[in-house]
Amino acid sequence: AQSVSQHNHHVILSEAASLELGCNYSYGGTVNLFWYVQYPGQHLQLLLKYFSGDPLVKGIKGFEAEFIKSKFSFNLRKPSVQWSDTAEYFCAVARVGNQGGKLIFGQGTELSVKP
Amino acid sequence: NAGVMQNPRHLVRRRGQEARLRCSPMKGHSHVYWYRQLPEEGLKFMVYLQKENIIDESGMPKERFSAEFPKEGPSILRIQQVVRGDSAAYFCASSPTATDRGYTFGSGTRLTVV
Repeated sequence: AQSVSQHNHHVILSEAASLELGCNYSYGGTVNLFWYVQYPGQHLQLLLKYFSGDPLVKGIKGFEAEFIKSKFSFNLRKPSVQWSDTAEYFCAVARVGNQGGKLIFGQGTELSVKP
Repeated sequence: NAGVMQNPRHLVRRRGQEARLRCSPMKGHSHVYWYRQLPEEGLKFMVYLQKENIIDESGMPKERFSAEFPKEGPSILRIQQVVRGDSAAYFCASSPTATDRGYTFGSGTRLTVV
């Protein structure tokens, strides 16, 4: 069965530190990839997405992610985190051609940024 | 243009009662998706509906759970005879067409069963 794995459950960083959150998926076909962020008490917001083309995608708030097809990975990065980045981050995958629209989510990574 | 609207935001039910969660998709969207987020877990797909049709209910528990998206009105996720394990956040999303390109989520309904 298709699955998405996020390596870190909880990451704690100081402000200005660099961030990298890992995401791997298990599906051999073509996929669309997403990172969502959920701030405390709020709904999911789309950070960035990859459909095709340049494997390095830039999203909102200074986030970027790199799709490495050979590694089935889509890691999220930010060069310098801020206290306001404290949130939970979810990686998600959709099979291309899956017109049912089902997203498979990872279990999430909670990011705590210390001021 | 309002986003995906879910209500109520918080719902408390005693064990054995029914819970009805509502989702109004974005204007012009006829495809609705329901996800459940259990504590300490990611979102799990439950069901995908188009107007008056259930397209994919592979993530729905076999008993007590049902969903509908009538021609008029919001989509409803109904949980009958709730149990403590149903306590979770339930998120709805919508899209204008069938898509593999993601969609917009609502703010969710947090169900607590006491």
